[in-house]
Parts: sequence; C-alpha cells; structure tokens
Amino acid sequence: AQSVTQLDSQVPVFEEAPVELRCNYSSSVSVYLFWYVQYPNQGLQLLLKYLSGSTLVKGINGFEAEFNKSQTSFHLRKPSVHISDTAEYFCAVSLPSGNTPLVFGKGTRLSVIA
Amino acid sequence: EAQVTQNPRYLITVTGKKLTVTCSQNMNHEYMSWYRQDPGLGLRQIYYSMNVEVTDKGDVPEGYKVSRKEKRNFPLILESPSPNQTSLYFCASSLKGGQRVIWEKLFFGSGTQLSVL
Repeated sequence: AQSVTQLDSQVPVFEEAPVELRCNYSSSVSVYLFWYVQYPNQGLQLLLKYLSGSTLVKGINGFEAEFNKSQTSFHLRKPSVHISDTAEYFCAVSLPSGNTPLVFGKGTRLSVIA
Repeated sequence: EAQVTQNPRYLITVTGKKLTVTCSQNMNHEYMSWYRQDPGLGLRQIYYSMNVEVTDKGDVPEGYKVSRKEKRNFPLILESPSPNQTSLYFCASSLKGGQRVIWEKLFFGSGTQLSVL
C-alpha cells in the first residue's frame, strides 16, 4: 500500500523568504500526487497535482512542486512567501487505477513571520 | 456555488449522548467520505461511500456509523460518543471515473469541531 511522509511538522519562515515543504512517498507502482492547503478554520483545498507528464507542476498562489521518481519525492516550493501563506499543508498520494484510497501525510504547519 | 455543507460547525456534548453530524453536497458527486483530523496525525478516513446505499470502512471506523440513502447526503452518527472522539471532522465529496475516484475534484466541507466531555 502507498504511504506518505512529510518530514517537517512545523516550518517557520520569514516573509519574502523562500520555502520548501518536503514530501516523500512510498509505492512500488506509478502514483498520483497532491498538495492540499488548509487555512485557519477552513477545510482543505487543492493546491496542485501531479498526474503525469511534466515533473514540474505549478499550482495556485505561486506554489510549485517537482515530482522526482528516483527520490520518490514531491517537495513543495515557493520563492517568496507572504503572511497569507500561513497554513497547514498536506501531501497526499493515490494510485491511478482501481478503487484505491487517497492517503494523506500528517501535515506541515507553515508559519510566516513578519 | 459548488459546496459541501457540514452542520454544525461546533458541537460540545457529553459522553454517551447520541449525535449526528450532517453533510450535504450540491455537485451530484457519487463519492463521499468522512475524515477526522487530530494534531500530529493528519487526516484519517472514517467511512466512505462510492454511491447511494454503498458504504465502506476507512482506517478508523470504530465508534462511528454512516448512511447513504440519497446521493447528496452522508450523515456521520456517533451512537455513544466518548472523549477520544473529540476531534475536527471533515466531510468530502468527489466525482468518479469508472471505479476510480477523481481525487483532483475532491471538495471538502469547512469542518465540524466536536468536543466530547
């Protein structure tokens, strides 16, 4: 079965600095990968997805992620963060076929400091 | 507006008092699911439904019940709540493509914060 590890539970970063949130997955077959964002007191919303094709995926709010099959990673990056990016970020993995679940990581809390 | 609506937003109850958290979606989605979110544990799936009258256990189903009598509604029932069910609960829904859930279309509700005393 597939699994996801988010290596950092909390990431503090100063405003306008770059940030990388790390995600590694475990699967013996091809996967679909997702990043979700949860702003305070809200539900999760999709930030970006990798299904196939280009390994560099761009999402909303200036975020991007790179799928690295050899490293089994899907790290999320933003070159310059804003206060409004303060949120919890979840990486998730699923398989392309069949009735397989979406498995979430434990989340990374990004705190942007003014 | 496409949305998943959960009620109530906040709920405080006592051990053993039956409660229901409602979930409704207006997107004609076949798939619906309940998750609980706990600090340091991320989101864990409680139950899911691939279509009307079809429900299955997720990772943490103990102490919960669900029903799917209509496509739009998927209530979560706690027959005898206990303090370890204090958590933030999310309902979600999505389309299906054949037997596969189209995860990139997954919509979440705003959550229900439940406290069991």
